[in-house]
Amino acid sequence: GAGVSQSPRYKVAKRGQDVALRCDPISGHVSLFWYQQALGQGPEFLTYFQNEAQLDKSGLPSDRFFAERPEGSVSTLKIQRTQQEDSAVYLCASSPQGLNTEAFFGQGTRLTVV
Amino acid sequence: AQSVSQHNHHVILSEAASLELGCNYSYGGTVNLFWYVQYPGQHLQLLLKYFSGDPLVKGIKGFEAEFIKSKFSFNLRKPSVQWSDTAEYFCAVNPGGSGGSYIPTFGRGTSLIVHP
Repeated sequence: GAGVSQSPRYKVAKRGQDVALRCDPISGHVSLFWYQQALGQGPEFLTYFQNEAQLDKSGLPSDRFFAERPEGSVSTLKIQRTQQEDSAVYLCASSPQGLNTEAFFGQGTRLTVV
Repeated sequence: AQSVSQHNHHVILSEAASLELGCNYSYGGTVNLFWYVQYPGQHLQLLLKYFSGDPLVKGIKGFEAEFIKSKFSFNLRKPSVQWSDTAEYFCAVNPGGSGGSYIPTFGRGTSLIVHP
């Protein structure tokens, strides 16, 4: 498809379980962003890639969160030993090279930790 | 670090009413400004954007926004709302100009409900 694709759309995890969330950006887009959106809040920045390089991971809330984009296209956000406070929608966005461009968002993965 | 404030968290209007949603940001340099909309069950999509030039920008579906640099504001307006405008609206800011990262920072959003 032409848009950003995320999978799975919904994920229920037991507390302590590891999860992996996938993002397929728009083909050719250099930049990729991960955001966390809690209920009733705006997207909060987690991490940013330019091609395969992770240039900013300042928003990752703990060392249980890890993201990678090994070939500069598909990205995976991994959360280890999930906790209830990790429950949120995880959004992926991509944008073309350059500063004056907007981000294109996927539909997100809704993670519920029980 | 920049921050974005959206003062109206919930807005309820009747069809044909006028809309103005506030957005203020804190960042002293050049900025790029965006409004995104999220319709129920859909992904975030761009409504309009400002990079430079005319501070009054027009977007899709009759929306417009005005950048007032002295007030650090980028308020969203629509003269006459429709039921189909019911959605969440997010203001976003990222530093413009060359160099550095350009990570969009979002406000917490405004939920708009339009009654038919």
